Amino acid sequence: QQPVQSPQAVILREGEDAVINCSSSKALYSVHWYRQKHGEAPVFLMILLKGGEQKGHEKISASFNEKKQQSSLYLTASQLSYSGTYFCGTERHRGGNTPLVFGKGTRLSVIA
Amino acid sequence: GAGVSQSPSNKVTEKGKDVELRCDPISGHTALYWYRQSLGQGLEFLIYFQGNSAPDKSGLPSDRFSAERTGGSVSTLTIQRTQQEDSAVYLCASSLAEAVGTFGSGTRLTVV
Repeated sequence: QQPVQSPQAVILREGEDAVINCSSSKALYSVHWYRQKHGEAPVFLMILLKGGEQKGHEKISASFNEKKQQSSLYLTASQLSYSGTYFCGTERHRGGNTPLVFGKGTRLSVIA
Repeated sequence: GAGVSQSPSNKVTEKGKDVELRCDPISGHTALYWYRQSLGQGLEFLIYFQGNSAPDKSGLPSDRFSAERTGGSVSTLTIQRTQQEDSAVYLCASSLAEAVGTFGSGTRLTVV
């Protein structure tokens, strides 16, 4: 079951904030967030585990709502370098090394 | 190696020809994944390996697609009798545990 990401695309001015959501119709064990710049490999940002705490990476943080099976990625005081496509990948069971199911991505453009 | 290496980075082939795509994972990573990314689409799972075995081949689009992994290291994805709809970026990722994958830069395949 492919997770659903929203919005599909967003344009921000430098310094503005954004929230990207990732929802699943099935119970999840973990949610993984990646960022991909044009023509480059997706780069791992963070993992949210069931029962885990909200995580952060500088001005990028994320949460995982187990009741809603939804994860949200928060980008605060956005910088030009945040531009790219953000993907969430979901894992339904704790099996380790099982393939992630990715959403279609959210394209973020930060302009000066 | 330091990262996941894929070759070739670009491949243009004529419809009906066979192609081989190669992935060199990070040394010591037991799990290896193949994904496909079409224009504007998310990351579509194809197949994954645990060691040299492929527990999950469910994502392979047709019997024209096959993959193998030897020595628990290098993997080759083969597409026989290529079709135009096979055009996409083929991404490989490897991981040690917890499904946190490091992606390669991909092979851009164009079938003309």
